Amino acid sequence: GAVVSQHPSRVICKSGTSVKIECRSLDFQATTMFWYRQFPKQSLMLMATSNEGSKATYEQGVEKDKFLINHASLTLSTLTVTSAHPEDSSFYICSAKSPGLAGAQETQYFGPGTRLLVL
Amino acid sequence: QKEVEQDPGPLSVPEGAIVSLNCTYSNSAFQYFMWYRQYSRKGPELLMYTYSSGNKEDGRFTAQVDKSSKYISLFIRDSQPSDSATYLCAMSVLGTDKLIFGTGTRLQVFP
Repeated sequence: GAVVSQHPSRVICKSGTSVKIECRSLDFQATTMFWYRQFPKQSLMLMATSNEGSKATYEQGVEKDKFLINHASLTLSTLTVTSAHPEDSSFYICSAKSPGLAGAQETQYFGPGTRLLVL
Repeated sequence: QKEVEQDPGPLSVPEGAIVSLNCTYSNSAFQYFMWYRQYSRKGPELLMYTYSSGNKEDGRFTAQVDKSSKYISLFIRDSQPSDSATYLCAMSVLGTDKLIFGTGTRLQVFP
């Protein structure tokens, strides 16, 4: 259980184009999904929290107009990198909050990640 | 000072060894602690989570939390080459969603 998928797994694009990444919870409904970015040899940094049916909450320093997040259903969230530039090249990982056991903290399960390379 | 500190390694051990991975933290409000395993070019996989001091065991893995010292550990017994990966600690304030990750420790288990 608690499987999260991402598509595509890898994308290469030209500078100035937009790229959409999908995140799906396959066997549970996720009211909240999260988007992270990970640079080589660095840890995961939370970019934004996405709640189904409402606007995403962005972390400080993350441009909301550049990283568009849509959480249209309980199983799908999308991240669109608009007008991508080489400095946006990174590993983008989503996670989904899965209901935990009674009395326990809900747990995040992560997708396999999308590697973006902007030329 | 980072909220969560973790030695990046790499840590290289022979097969069968006991591995100790550690993180320290500065925010005393952290109450929920997790360990994730991340293989190269893959997303993190949840290994263990706990929200109390003491030990929690799951198979070959033991998670240990010492809130008084703000120190958490993950022990791997009878390590296998398949355990070779980067291990990330993560923590959060109970009741919040935001996870704060360590930088990860790269572990290599050689046959």
